[in-house]
Amino acid sequence: DTGVSQNPRHKITKRGQNVTFRCDPISEHNRLYWYRQTLGQGPEFLTYFQNEAQLEKSRLLSDRFSAERPKGSFSTLEIQRTEQGDSAMYLCASSFRDSPDTQYFGPGTRLTVL
Amino acid sequence: AQSVAQPEDQVNVAEGNPLTVKCTYSVSGNPYLFWYVQYPNRGLQFLLKYITGDNLVKGSYGFEAEFNKSQTSFHLKKPSALVSDSALYFCAVSGVVSGGYNKLIFGAGTRLAVHP
Repeated sequence: DTGVSQNPRHKITKRGQNVTFRCDPISEHNRLYWYRQTLGQGPEFLTYFQNEAQLEKSRLLSDRFSAERPKGSFSTLEIQRTEQGDSAMYLCASSFRDSPDTQYFGPGTRLTVL
Repeated sequence: AQSVAQPEDQVNVAEGNPLTVKCTYSVSGNPYLFWYVQYPNRGLQFLLKYITGDNLVKGSYGFEAEFNKSQTSFHLKKPSALVSDSALYFCAVSGVVSGGYNKLIFGAGTRLAVHP
């Protein structure tokens, strides 16, 4: 499968714990995006990487959230001291430099904070 | 600020009938417009996009969308609906922002239910 992959697909955690999600973009896609989707809503932009550089962070991304893309390939999104309001689907997308407008999404990681 | 409105939470249509899912947008400058579909427990799948050119854009699975600049709309259409088209549909807009990247702004989604 050459699409965007995300792991884990599901994560259940207790409030206050830290969680980390991984996203592997489509090979040679230099742009990588993270979005959050809550029930009944469309995805909301969180952050964006071009290669390894994080170029934009949404105000939704509080200090408890951190994202990295150390070698310009896979990316991780970490949430520290999780809260019940963090429960959502976290989506990753990537796009190719020659067609940056079209983003391809992974299956998402569903986070449930108890 | 950029925004997208999908005025219908749900659209019901009989199999074989034409379908329309509505979308209006607000953006400064020339819009890049997209439709994505989401099946249960799966990520979003790209259907089609409008960047420039012909106002009628054809996409995957027989879907098409019509860009109307004067009405700031980008409605999704299909001549003959299938039960398998039942899913959640999202309209999105993006534009060139600082840094030259294109984050997507999504509508709240419209659930399409196609009945046999």
